[in-house]
Amino acid sequence: GAGVSQTPSNKVTEKGKYVELRCDPISGHTALYWYRQSLGQGPEFLIYFQGTGAADDSGLPNDRFFAVRPEGSVSTLKIQRTERGDSAVYLCASSLNTGGGTDTQYFGPGTRLTVL
Amino acid sequence: AQSVTQLGSHVSVSEGALVLLRCNYSSSVPPYLFWYVQYPNQGLQLLLKYTSAATLVKGINGFEAEFKKSETSFHLTKPSAHMSDAAEYFCAVTANNNDMRFGAGTRLTVKP
Repeated sequence: GAGVSQTPSNKVTEKGKYVELRCDPISGHTALYWYRQSLGQGPEFLIYFQGTGAADDSGLPNDRFFAVRPEGSVSTLKIQRTERGDSAVYLCASSLNTGGGTDTQYFGPGTRLTVL
Repeated sequence: AQSVTQLGSHVSVSEGALVLLRCNYSSSVPPYLFWYVQYPNQGLQLLLKYTSAATLVKGINGFEAEFKKSETSFHLTKPSAHMSDAAEYFCAVTANNNDMRFGAGTRLTVKP
């Protein structure tokens, strides 16, 4: 079946602009995760959704970052007043969330954000 | 809080040689441990995971890893490297599957 998809694959914007990054999880997966991967680093946790609610947003770096998942499926990561330091690959993952730590997270290909 | 440290940002082996990628973890509770592989311009793909069952975990593509609590390690091995194994490898840990913590990654190069 279809995997996790993310759009756009690449986004170039100017400093100070607003951007939205979209994630379509695997159908039936109730858990959805956003990560940020800077050049030469491993993915860094941003936020986790269980259904429509953000169960853990402790990884969001500041209040310029916000994410929603209004219908419990597609999620949008929103970044206001972008800064050059926001440039990274933003990864989305989803899992069935059957409980505990045994779930496998399936990752999308990411959106490469470049802030000029 | 959980964390992992991957020793060696770059590892180079010859085709057919043993692959050993090192990962040490820190966790205040029993951890769940993962190895992911990332090929160029592709998403992360799960190689294997430790979920407190068998300490020796076998994954895809001939990879395996052994959970050693006494050493707080979860090193990834493959007996014989193939050219197609060249990629970036990430070790990750979580206590509850909600916020997975990744290492900085190890880039594996396979020489012909």
